[in-house]
Amino acid sequence: SYELTQPPSVSVSPGQTARITCSGDSLPKQYAYWYQQRPGQAPVLLIYKDSDRPSGIPERFSGSRSGTRVTLTISGVQAEDEADYYCQSTDSSGTYKIFGGGTKLTVL
Amino acid sequence: EVQLVESGGGLVQPGGSLRLSCVVSGFNFTTSWMSWVRQAPGKGLEWVANIKQDGSERYYADSVKGRFTISRDNAKKSLYLQMNTLRGDDTAVYYCARVEGGFDPWGQGTLITVSS
Repeated sequence: SYELTQPPSVSVSPGQTARITCSGDSLPKQYAYWYQQRPGQAPVLLIYKDSDRPSGIPERFSGSRSGTRVTLTISGVQAEDEADYYCQSTDSSGTYKIFGGGTKLTVL
Repeated sequence: EVQLVESGGGLVQPGGSLRLSCVVSGFNFTTSWMSWVRQAPGKGLEWVANIKQDGSERYYADSVKGRFTISRDNAKKSLYLQMNTLRGDDTAVYYCARVEGGFDPWGQGTLITVSS
């Protein structure tokens, strides 16, 4: 079955840059999406179609892709960015949605 | 204001059934693919099912195929999830979400607990 692999955790100091990666064999063929989930809240779409940002999402959040890997970059990390982050894509048929296992971002 | 409001959660015994509802407002429901996504306690997100605008196409995760049925009523701007033969590993918060490639926006979720 198709999988997306994320690191379980990433730690960064305030003001630094956090990078969260997501790998999957079908990523070259399908777009990736990123979500932020704060404790007790529903997920929020951060990045769509690899690198586009919905209105209202701060510019410090950006997405990029290289081959079978996509990366969420958070520049100038703030304390409020401490949350779980999930990548999501679709299998090669474009039918079935897949989430990565999630990455817990800790702001030191 | 865009809103998705889930209801129907609760405690159910293993082998039981439950029907979730999601009422939407603030966007054009009839032109949107819709989806259910769940999250077990302390775990990650898991896509459950998708349904096309007119209900003519439905897709399910392997973990729920044959037990869950997604449906919609465009006149009522409502999405449903009929869950049968529930198991302990179905315990989760269930979210409805609009699908536009990704999932956006999301409802606040409704908790299903499967336990005797």
